Amino acid sequence: EAQVTQNPRYLITVTGKKLTVTCSQNMNHEYMSWYRQDPGLGLRQIYYSMNVEVTDKGDVPEGYKVSRKEKRNFPLILESPSPNQTSLYFCASSLGSTKNIQYFGAGTRLSVL
Amino acid sequence: KNEVEQSPQNLTAQEGEFITINCSYSVGISALHWLQQHPGGGIVSLFMLSSGKKKHGRLIATINIQEKHSSLHITASHPRDSAVYICAVVPRGGSQGNLIFGKGTKLSVKP
Repeated sequence: EAQVTQNPRYLITVTGKKLTVTCSQNMNHEYMSWYRQDPGLGLRQIYYSMNVEVTDKGDVPEGYKVSRKEKRNFPLILESPSPNQTSLYFCASSLGSTKNIQYFGAGTRLSVL
Repeated sequence: KNEVEQSPQNLTAQEGEFITINCSYSVGISALHWLQQHPGGGIVSLFMLSSGKKKHGRLIATINIQEKHSSLHITASHPRDSAVYICAVVPRGGSQGNLIFGKGTKLSVKP
C-alpha cells in the first residue's frame, strides 16, 4: 500500500531534549516536505527536499534541521526543543514537486514542556 | 495580509445542500491544491489545478488564474463531508518546492 509513515504519532518531551520525528515513503517520490499546524495559523512549511541531498527552507525553519540521505526517508530533527515548537507536524511527499498530488502522513502531535 | 484567503471560515449546511468554499490568493501561482482534513486529523489531497475545472464524484474544483480565485463545490452534501477544507498554492517561479496554505474552512453538514 502506498503510504507516508510518520513516527511517533504522539510525543511528550521536555525543553532541550533532542528528538527526531521520522518520515518514510514507499512511493519512490523525489519531493518530501515537513509542515506544522497550529490553531489560528493553519499549515506552515518548515523544510522541503526536492531530492536526495537537496533540502531547502520553508517559511518557519528556525529551530529545526532535516536531512535527506536516502530517497525514502526525511527525518525532522529538533536539536533543542522549546515550548513554542508544541504543534501538530505533518510530513508529505509527491512525485517531482509541489505541482503534483501531495501524500500526507498521519501526523505527529508534539508537546514540549 | 495573508497571501491565501479562504471564505467562509466556518460553514454549517443541511444534508443535501450545495456548498461552495472560496479561495483567493495574492501571488502568481503555477498550481493550486484543495485538501481535506478529517476530524481525526489526517489530510488527503482532493484536487490539484493549474487551469479550468476538475470533477471527482460530488466534488468540483474550479480556478480562474486571471482573477486569482478558486472554488470548491460539493453537490448533494452529506454528513461524511464534514471536515476542514484547505486551499494551498504553489508560487510561480523558484524551485516549485514551496506551498502556501490558507487557514481552512471548517464544514459541518447536519443530517
